[in-house]
Amino acid sequence: DGGITQSPKYLFRKEGQNVTLSCEQNLNHDAMYWYRQDPGQGLRLIYYSQIVNDFQKGDIAEGYSVSREKKESFPLTVTSAQKNPTAFYLCASSIVQASSGANVLTFGAGSRLTVL
Amino acid sequence: QKEVEQDPGPLSVPEGAIVSLNCTYSNSAFQYFMWYRQYSRKGPELLMYTYSSGNKEDGRFTAQVDKSSKYISLFIRDSQPSDSATYLCAMGGLDDKIIFGKGTRLHILP
Repeated sequence: DGGITQSPKYLFRKEGQNVTLSCEQNLNHDAMYWYRQDPGQGLRLIYYSQIVNDFQKGDIAEGYSVSREKKESFPLTVTSAQKNPTAFYLCASSIVQASSGANVLTFGAGSRLTVL
Repeated sequence: QKEVEQDPGPLSVPEGAIVSLNCTYSNSAFQYFMWYRQYSRKGPELLMYTYSSGNKEDGRFTAQVDKSSKYISLFIRDSQPSDSATYLCAMGGLDDKIIFGKGTRLHILP
């Protein structure tokens, strides 16, 4: 089945450590995204990438880094510079619908990061 | 004014009732509209998307868009306890930037 795989599902980190969240998709989508979700805050865009070897900052990129070396993969690194990293992280991919031009997102199951 | 407004709820309704979930928006450049359902500790899943004013039906779900009023709705008929989740509206335009509402928590009471 086509979809988006995020790993790990749960991750615990000590303060001062970097951690990398994996996101892999087999939907052949060009664009990929990382969102952060906190209670009462909705989805906030961290980074997005529309093509391989290119990515742009979203609304809350500080303390995060990404790479896009392959079309299928878009890993997110949460660095020690991120002041409040405990959150639910969601990866998504998208393709523009030919009939409407709509950019419809498909999400992974999420990764919950807890900083101890 | 925020681009997308969505009542966070929680909204509690009895099983079998018709549920109405709504979002308002301020940016007239939005051209397509989506509804996602998110169960606790899961990723959002796409329920419906539409790009024109009017109604679009899919089973027990109906999405309604009124571009003149900048108002979208999702109706759920014959609601079931399994419909209990958070519902997110989302919208986008030509720049492909997607804006999400903060979500409405829905509880269907057996």
